[in-house]
Amino acid sequence: AQSVSQHNHHVILSEAASLELGCNYSYGGTVNLFWYVQYPGQHLQLLLKYFSGDPLVKGIKGFEAEFIKSKFSFNLRKPSVQWSDTAEYFCAVNARNTGGFKTIFGAGTRLFVKA
Amino acid sequence: GAVVSQHPSRVICKSGTSVKIECRSLDFQATTMFWYRQFPKKSLMLMATSNEGSKATYEQGVEKDKFLINHASLTLSTLTVTSAHPEDSSFYICSAASSTEETQYFGPGTRLLVL
Repeated sequence: AQSVSQHNHHVILSEAASLELGCNYSYGGTVNLFWYVQYPGQHLQLLLKYFSGDPLVKGIKGFEAEFIKSKFSFNLRKPSVQWSDTAEYFCAVNARNTGGFKTIFGAGTRLFVKA
Repeated sequence: GAVVSQHPSRVICKSGTSVKIECRSLDFQATTMFWYRQFPKKSLMLMATSNEGSKATYEQGVEKDKFLINHASLTLSTLTVTSAHPEDSSFYICSAASSTEETQYFGPGTRLLVL
């Protein structure tokens, strides 16, 4: 069955600390990979995506993610977090099917950055 | 970026009544729209996928007679919760994607409370 697993449900960091959020997926076919962010009181926004090409993708606000196909992973990183990065982060995979695609979301990771 | 709106943002209704939620893509043509339900501290659960002009494809366990989805135009999809019950209280989120890319753009969500 298709699934997306996010390793941490809650992460607490101090400002300037480095961040890495793990994401692994289970699907044997063609996938496109995403990280979405939901800031408090706001709707989901796209942080970055990988469709093909360079497996290291850069997104908005200094975030990046690396697709490692052999590990079925797409971990999110940021070298130095800010208080404003406090949010919930969702890893998602678009699994292609005959009718188009279907998005499978991970359970989310709540990040709290202490000022 | 692409903008998706939802209306209403929150609604309170009595048990047994029906509630309609609208999802609009404001600046692009959405060939595919998705409806999700988000439970507290949980990830998004895909309810159904709708392609413009076609019947929606419902996920396993989602009652299509209870959650009526209509996608009559390239900019509008509606979700009607029929004969709502307190257990239908939740946060409903729509997203939209164009035919040219698989990136989903999310609406701000609708909080439904059934008394």
